[in-house]
Amino acid sequence: GQNIDQPTEMTATEGAIVQINCTYQTSGFNGLFWYQQHAGEAPTFLSYNVLDGLEEKGRFSSFLSRSKGYSYLLLKELQMKDSASYLCAAKDSNYQLIWGAGTKLIIKP
Amino acid sequence: ETGVTQTPRHLVMGMTNKKSLKCEQHLGHNAMYWYKQSAKKPLELMFVYNFKEQTENNSVPSRFSPECPNSSHLFLHLHTLQPEDSALYLCASSQEDSSYTEQFFGPGTRLTVL
Repeated sequence: GQNIDQPTEMTATEGAIVQINCTYQTSGFNGLFWYQQHAGEAPTFLSYNVLDGLEEKGRFSSFLSRSKGYSYLLLKELQMKDSASYLCAAKDSNYQLIWGAGTKLIIKP
Repeated sequence: ETGVTQTPRHLVMGMTNKKSLKCEQHLGHNAMYWYKQSAKKPLELMFVYNFKEQTENNSVPSRFSPECPNSSHLFLHLHTLQPEDSALYLCASSQEDSSYTEQFFGPGTRLTVL
């Protein structure tokens, strides 16, 4: 079956760095997405990886290893507004998104 | 209006009621989606419409009935729902012409079935 695994919850300190991991098993692969979802709001797109390596976008970076079925989202210089759920999703051979349950990130002062 | 809008934002209904959720996208996309989001569970894809044609129905109970009159509007008709159907229902749209196609989400409808 198809599956996405990511930690349920993580806690980090304001100004620090946090890495949220995601492993995936899909029938075929057409890219890995990360979304941010604040409580009570819509998910918003953060990043897309289809080739191995690191994609950097400001304070956020996303890494992909296709051979390991593994990705991570790296958040630097954490701010209180980064408190949210982070959703990992992989596109399968039918171009359908398979979603993880999300990682709730709690930022403490 | 910009992006993806959904109405109503909150809905409380009894198990015998009939109601409809509405979604509208202002992005010129050719695909629209209904998702169900329950606490601590992955997003569940319910229906996909591509160029107004339904291309996906992930074993959704018949008490949920989608309608896509045009590429900008999507409805989810609800009838005789169960309490376990209480969840956040999200609409999304995308331009499906390559594998790199992010989905844009609406704010969701928080549904409570009594």
